[in-house]
Amino acid sequence: DTGVSQDPRHKITKRGQNVTFRCDPISEHNRLYWYRQTLGQGPEFLTYFQNEAQLEKSRLLSDRFSAERPKGSFSTLEIQRTEQGDSAMYLCASRRQGTSGGNEQFFGPGTRLTVL
Amino acid sequence: AQRVTQPEKLLSVFKGAPVELKCNYSYSGSPELFWYVQYSRQRLQLLLRHISRESIKGFTADLNKGETSFHLKKPFAQEEDSAMYYCALSGRSNFGNEKLTFGTGTRLTIIP
Repeated sequence: DTGVSQDPRHKITKRGQNVTFRCDPISEHNRLYWYRQTLGQGPEFLTYFQNEAQLEKSRLLSDRFSAERPKGSFSTLEIQRTEQGDSAMYLCASRRQGTSGGNEQFFGPGTRLTVL
Repeated sequence: AQRVTQPEKLLSVFKGAPVELKCNYSYSGSPELFWYVQYSRQRLQLLLRHISRESIKGFTADLNKGETSFHLKKPFAQEEDSAMYYCALSGRSNFGNEKLTFGTGTRLTIIP
């Protein structure tokens, strides 16, 4: 296990299309987070899971966005009816709750979405 | 509301000179503070966290609750320190509110 992985790394789509991204966390990490990063900004929180339960959602996560973690392992983030404003880097992070490292989150490489 | 401010978008320092990247925060409870670094073409990775009070790659950061600051410092800059640095904040992980709130980042360039 070499770390958090994300697929695809790049996605180009046309406005109005649906896209889905996948995140595979580090094994045994029960918490999984999604962030979005736009040009010139730091990552912004979208949502997080403990195992399969979605515990918090940001108001940035409009009704066109849905995230799942059905078996408590990998997670998917779907964006329906994409808009040009959705163009961003989507980051996934994970951590194991209860470790001595506090809230240290391990990040994946990201999926860069471009909406034309 | 929780907020992290990094006032410098760009910072250039000569090799061997001291480095200080500024970070100020706003949070009503007891925060956890972090510095993350992103080297060219690499993923975001943790550099320091205030709870461990350690020095990584010669960098240190002290949490100053009075000034609500968590500045990152290194006495002698090295060329390999060139990267994007993000300051981040969360609530204490055992009490919820564990989303990370990031600053806008500072791009550090070390001049040979």
